[in-house]
Amino acid sequence: GIQVEQSPPDLILQEGANSTLRCNFSDSVNNLQWFHQNPWGQLINLFYIPSGTKQNGRLSATTVATERYSLLYISSSQTTDSGVYFCAVENTGFQKLVFGTGTRLLVSP
Amino acid sequence: DGGITQSPKYLFRKEGQNVTLSCEQNLNHDAMYWYRQDPGQGLRLIYYSQIVNDFQKGDIAEGYSVSREKKESFPLTVTSAQKNPTAFYLCASSTLGADTQYFGPGTRLTVL
Repeated sequence: GIQVEQSPPDLILQEGANSTLRCNFSDSVNNLQWFHQNPWGQLINLFYIPSGTKQNGRLSATTVATERYSLLYISSSQTTDSGVYFCAVENTGFQKLVFGTGTRLLVSP
Repeated sequence: DGGITQSPKYLFRKEGQNVTLSCEQNLNHDAMYWYRQDPGQGLRLIYYSQIVNDFQKGDIAEGYSVSREKKESFPLTVTSAQKNPTAFYLCASSTLGADTQYFGPGTRLTVL
């Protein structure tokens, strides 16, 4: 099956810093989503982005499907950005998402 | 408010017991999913359902069972056959062919 690798596994930032999270996947995909899991376990969908670029406030994402990677950019980070960021992909024609192991982000004041 | 609810939030089970985790949604979504998350890991798909009275196994279905008698409800039973059931369980839903899945708050199961 498709493999998903995320990097870095852990990231510590000072408030206000910028960061880039990467997701590599091993096959073409129909669906790619970025999620944020807060410290209490709740997952929130950030982007649906199988290709192209999207922006939502301080967050933006780019997927280069031909090269099989996606990037999530966080600008002017805040302590509330802390948590785990997951990339999930699907290539079976139905939403059977395969998740990466995540990037754990800690933003300190 | 529309959303997905899971209960209980925390669940403790003795070895050899079956337990059922509840998942309810009022989003009118056709598809529902169960995932398992182990510490420091991503989510893995246990079962999913696209329509009432139909469901399919995911990647780690052994030791679990589900039912889908109503569109709004997709309970998961963790049976005694599941050898390592301690984990965080997340339920999600989506419309068919949708871009995104919406997640409930999760149930943390601990086997004593």
